[in-house]
Amino acid sequence: AQKVTQAQTEISVVEKEDVTLDCVYETRDTTYYLFWYKQPPSGELVFLIRRNSFDEQNEISGRYSWNFQKSTSSFNFTITASQVVDSAVYFCALSENSGYSTLTFGKGTMLLVSP
Amino acid sequence: NAGVTQTPKFQVLKTGQSMTLQCAQDMNHEYMSWYRQDPGMGLRLIHYSVGAGITDQGEVPNGYNVSRSTTEDFPLRLLSAAPSQTSVYFCASRPDSSEAFFGQGTRLTVV
Repeated sequence: AQKVTQAQTEISVVEKEDVTLDCVYETRDTTYYLFWYKQPPSGELVFLIRRNSFDEQNEISGRYSWNFQKSTSSFNFTITASQVVDSAVYFCALSENSGYSTLTFGKGTMLLVSP
Repeated sequence: NAGVTQTPKFQVLKTGQSMTLQCAQDMNHEYMSWYRQDPGMGLRLIHYSVGAGITDQGEVPNGYNVSRSTTEDFPLRLLSAAPSQTSVYFCASRPDSSEAFFGQGTRLTVV
């Protein structure tokens, strides 16, 4: 069975600090997909990134970066120089190739960035 | 493109009432699903569909019913609302292994 663990329930930082959100996953499939979504206080779910299991290259998009390590089944998300607008709940999710109609979500990490 | 449209955005029900949460997508996606979000629980899968006429249960299906008569629509029915069904409900559609597109959510309170 697939599972996603986000051990950090809540993180508080001060603006301009760097912060890493952890995500550990479990799956039996060799082909799978990992995602990060952001849920700001307004409540909608905003897609951030998708990564397939064959692509372990790290990705950077502006202040956001993602580190995918199959050896440790982790897909961590780092925000550099955090801003107040980064305050949100962040979800990591997994989709297996054998059942990619659905996503399995972690419980989310609430990030609070203070000015 | 409207994407995924959920209605209503807010709803208050009395225990025992039934209602239908509507979900429609205009992207011709085969895969659609319903999730509920509760504090500290993340999003949990209720029901999903891999195409018109095909539905299946997710992690928390009890008390809910779905049907998929068209590619576009995937309504979620609460048969007899209970306070435990107070939650935020999200509908999603997905074309394949790429990202899932979510509706704006429905905040349901059962009193």
